[in-house]
Amino acid sequence: AQSVTQLDSQVPVFEEAPVELRCNYSSSVSVYLFWYVQYPNQGLQLLLKYLSGSTLVKGINGFEAEFNKSQTSFHLRKPSVHISDTAEYFCAVSLSGTYKYIFGTGTRLKVLA
Amino acid sequence: DGGITQSPKYLFRKEGQNVTLSCEQNLNHDAMYWYRQDPGQGLRLIYYSQIVNDFQKGDIAEGYSVSREKKESFPLTVTSAQKNPTAFYLCASSIAGGNSPLHFGNGTRLTVT
Repeated sequence: AQSVTQLDSQVPVFEEAPVELRCNYSSSVSVYLFWYVQYPNQGLQLLLKYLSGSTLVKGINGFEAEFNKSQTSFHLRKPSVHISDTAEYFCAVSLSGTYKYIFGTGTRLKVLA
Repeated sequence: DGGITQSPKYLFRKEGQNVTLSCEQNLNHDAMYWYRQDPGQGLRLIYYSQIVNDFQKGDIAEGYSVSREKKESFPLTVTSAQKNPTAFYLCASSIAGGNSPLHFGNGTRLTVT
């Protein structure tokens, strides 16, 4: 069965510091990978996606992620965070040829002044 | 601008009552989804629909029902059979499955007392 693991439920970081949010997945079939951001009481917004090609993917708001097939990881990074990046971040995978999207349990990023 | 509209944003009901959550999209997407979000549990799929007049159960369909009579609309009914209906409900759509990212509405927070 496929699964997505976000090991860190909360990540505090000071403003202008770098951050990495970890995501690991397990799947025996090809997957597509996504990161979403959710602000309080709102829906999820797509940050970036990996479908194929270059393993380094750049997204909105200065975020990027690297697909590592051997480690089945898709970690999200930002070199310098802002207060406005405080939100919950979800990693998700979808299975090739299906309508099935599997979400991690989320990582709450709190940026401190 | 195209998007997904969920209404109402907050909904309060007494136990034993059925309640219907609205979801409308003007993105011309074929696929639509309903997810339930509970703290610390990520998103869990309730139902999805690939095309008008067709829908499939997700992982937690018990106590819920849907219809897809129009491409733009995918209402969710939370029935009295749902044992723990209080949650944040998110509607989403996608062009197709798999490699298409999900677009989300802003959610409906349902409280049942």
